[in-house]
Amino acid sequence: QQQVKQSPQSLIVQKGGISIINCAYENTAFDYFPWYQQFPGKGPALLIAIRPDVSEKKEGRFTISFNKSAKQFSLHIMDSQPGDSATYFCAASTLYQLIWGAGTKLIIKP
Amino acid sequence: DAGVIQSPRHEVTEMGQEVTLRCKPISGHNSLFWYRQTMMRGLELLIYFNNNVPIDDSGMPEDRFSAKMPNASFSTLKIQPSEPRDSAVYFCASSEMGQKETQYFGPGTRLLVL
Repeated sequence: QQQVKQSPQSLIVQKGGISIINCAYENTAFDYFPWYQQFPGKGPALLIAIRPDVSEKKEGRFTISFNKSAKQFSLHIMDSQPGDSATYFCAASTLYQLIWGAGTKLIIKP
Repeated sequence: DAGVIQSPRHEVTEMGQEVTLRCKPISGHNSLFWYRQTMMRGLELLIYFNNNVPIDDSGMPEDRFSAKMPNASFSTLKIQPSEPRDSAVYFCASSEMGQKETQYFGPGTRLLVL
């Protein structure tokens, strides 16, 4: 019930394409759903986040879509660029900590 | 602000040795998290401090691991004795009180135990 399941494990997208990463959860007590981006040799950094009372949040080329009834949320990267190549983690917030997905390694081919 | 500072950035040690990892959180942040990242297990929360007090250490693998936060600007994670399976990248992260969703990560310490 505390798990966050993330897919796919890895993803290759052509430059200019749309990258989509999906996450699913079981615990309806989760109250915040952030996405973190991690470049090699660096720590994860917050990219974008959404609360469960909102179905979509957009920041530039990055969009979170949230489906509360299905207990799923996804990250969409529009017009994907080589600089977006990184590992992406979804997470869900409990009372005092984040429950992390396993991560998706995204490669954008030029 | 300099961000979360971790030292050392890389550590190579031999099995059985004591390893101490250090973290300086962002000034003003009340919450501090220690994580371990490996290919096999992903990102694991080891321990969480709030106002220098350990709140949840259920993620600490075993008694060989210990963590302290003697003041608001410093924390240590100690492994004694170290084992090859402890090889991983260890991250420290901090957040403001009540802002657990926004955690600021340090650059990590890459630990290799031979």
